[in-house]
Amino acid sequence: KAGVTQTPRYLIKTRGQQVTLSCSPISGHRSVSWYQQTPGQGLQFLFEYFSETQRNKGNFPGRFSGRQFSNSRSEMNVSTLELGDSALYLCASSLVVTDTQYFGPGTRLTVL
Amino acid sequence: EDKVVQSPLSLVVHEGDTVTLNCSYEVTNFRSLLWYKQEKKAPTFLFMLTSSGIEKKSGRLSSILDKKELFSILNITATQTGDSAIYLCAVDQGTDKLIFGTGTRLQVFP
Repeated sequence: KAGVTQTPRYLIKTRGQQVTLSCSPISGHRSVSWYQQTPGQGLQFLFEYFSETQRNKGNFPGRFSGRQFSNSRSEMNVSTLELGDSALYLCASSLVVTDTQYFGPGTRLTVL
Repeated sequence: EDKVVQSPLSLVVHEGDTVTLNCSYEVTNFRSLLWYKQEKKAPTFLFMLTSSGIEKKSGRLSSILDKKELFSILNITATQTGDSAIYLCAVDQGTDKLIFGTGTRLQVFP
């Protein structure tokens, strides 16, 4: 079974731009969660989607948004990028009935 | 405020040593505790613990949970250089929301 895939793997943007990251969960997984990882803050929860609905949201500004499609693929969008948005963005998928999340390789976003 | 605290933050050992990583938590809802190993990019799953006192084992790695004292430990015996990584502890509160600790960076030197 293929794992969680994320595209692109690397991204360089400038302040003020917007970016869209994509995540394809493991086949059959309907829940997708997004995390931001920075050296100082560790892993922080962004939001979680299930069946195209956002079920949970972390403490991030409204510039961070996401959505999930009917095939469970998910996208995350960050508008008006700031330098502090530079991070590794991880996507994780899971079956609803289990607690184990499986992570993708991440997208490394650098904001200049 | 829900939080997961890991200690030590950093650990340097020689091959063959045994290490113990700690994870304590204070959360409003608890479903399970998970350990992950992160080497370069995405964390890879190690263990999921839901019941107190039951040791989970995988090769040289083992972990146990104490739900009364709200902590878990991850043991690695006979460490190897390939064990060098950041070890993350996370509490699953249900609805797929995980709260992570900041991790323990383990460096194993030959």
